[in-house]
Amino acid sequence: GNSVTQMEGPVTLSEEAFLTINCTYTATGYPSLFWYVQYPGEGLQLLLKATKADDKGSNKGFEATYRKETTSFHLEKGSVQVSDSAVYFCALAPSGGSNYKLTFGKGTLLTVNP
Amino acid sequence: DAGVIQSPRHEVTEMGQEVTLRCKPISGHNSLFWYRQTMMRGLELLIYFNNNVPIDDSGMPEDRFSAKMPNASFSTLKIQPSEPRDSAVYFCASSLVGRGLRLANQPQHFGDGTRLSIL
Repeated sequence: GNSVTQMEGPVTLSEEAFLTINCTYTATGYPSLFWYVQYPGEGLQLLLKATKADDKGSNKGFEATYRKETTSFHLEKGSVQVSDSAVYFCALAPSGGSNYKLTFGKGTLLTVNP
Repeated sequence: DAGVIQSPRHEVTEMGQEVTLRCKPISGHNSLFWYRQTMMRGLELLIYFNNNVPIDDSGMPEDRFSAKMPNASFSTLKIQPSEPRDSAVYFCASSLVGRGLRLANQPQHFGDGTRLSIL
């Protein structure tokens, strides 16, 4: 079946540090890949997405590139802010008939200190 | 624009009681999802509706769980009888799938969730 593995947290950084959260996936065909963010007490929000190999998704300074050869979709940001503190989820949607069925990673808690 | 609205935000009840969670999707969206989030299992899809019709309920844990969508603007998730292991955060999400659009590429918009505690 499909699966998503993302780096264990928590991750604690100082403001303006570089962020990488690793995500690898297992799926057949050509899934779509997503990063969602969850702020405390809220639901998940889509951060960025990529729908085919070599696509780069970007939003709010975050980037991730769909690498089919390494089955990865790592999240990066060059300079994090305190307001980026949240839980980040990598997810995939399969190609084919069940393409509504998002498979989520376990989530990575990011804390950014001033 | 109003997002996905869930109620209640918090629910604490005793084992054996009936629990009803409510969701109002974003107006115009035609797909609705119920998820459960726990520390142990992460986020799990419970059921997916399209145009008010249940398409996939394979994630519903057991017969104690039921979900309905009587119209495009309202859905309920009911647990009867409730058990302590049902304690979790339950999320509702909605999305729009139109002609030529691939559901996988359309973002799911999540509500703020209902934190359920069964004592």
